[in-house]
Amino acid sequence: RKEVEQDPGPFNVPEGATVAFNCTYSNSASQSFFWYRQDCRKEPKLLMSVYSSGNEDGRFTAQLNRASQYISLLIRDSKLSDSATYLCVVNWGGTYKYIFGTGTRLKVLA
Amino acid sequence: DTGVSQNPRHKITKRGQNVTFRCDPISEHNRLYWYRQTLGQGPEFLTYFQNEAQLEKSRLLSDRFSAERPKGSFSTLEIQRTEQGDSAMYLCASSASAGGDEQYFGPGTRLTVT
Repeated sequence: RKEVEQDPGPFNVPEGATVAFNCTYSNSASQSFFWYRQDCRKEPKLLMSVYSSGNEDGRFTAQLNRASQYISLLIRDSKLSDSATYLCVVNWGGTYKYIFGTGTRLKVLA
Repeated sequence: DTGVSQNPRHKITKRGQNVTFRCDPISEHNRLYWYRQTLGQGPEFLTYFQNEAQLEKSRLLSDRFSAERPKGSFSTLEIQRTEQGDSAMYLCASSASAGGDEQYFGPGTRLTVT
């Protein structure tokens, strides 16, 4: 099993749609989780941390399911500007190492 | 600009040459990470510094790669005897130990080995 897995997509959705991505991780000792956004040929930018209780930032909601070892990202009311690659990041439990998924491509269509 | 900076932004080198990249983290951040990213992949962890101490290094990192952070501020990543497979984007990120360890990335150095 891969350390961190994401569906590469692409997810093509119309403007205004709700879209959700999942990311599974294999190390049950992992403690820190994040979602990053990466635009083409740019550096990753922090979107949000993922807390055990779940967290919301405007149209974005992140959740953690420790029992099933996955994190999720929900985007409501998609905008054209949300088109990007979304990367999940997991701390490799017991180390200082962070593992990125390969990313999920999202394209929001007008 | 108080973000993470990296130099150079682009580097073209011939196979077998040595290259060195520099990263200047956000000034109050004591944690510094190096990653490598190739097309279609997420960033791959290379190494981690807490202040000047290198506390984690990827097993995938060959002995041609070395990193330093001599005074706990800027860091350098050196690749000796470059190979074509080293062509990638090299990203640096920094974070503060107080808080949730959110990492902030620099713009990267794109290396092309010919």
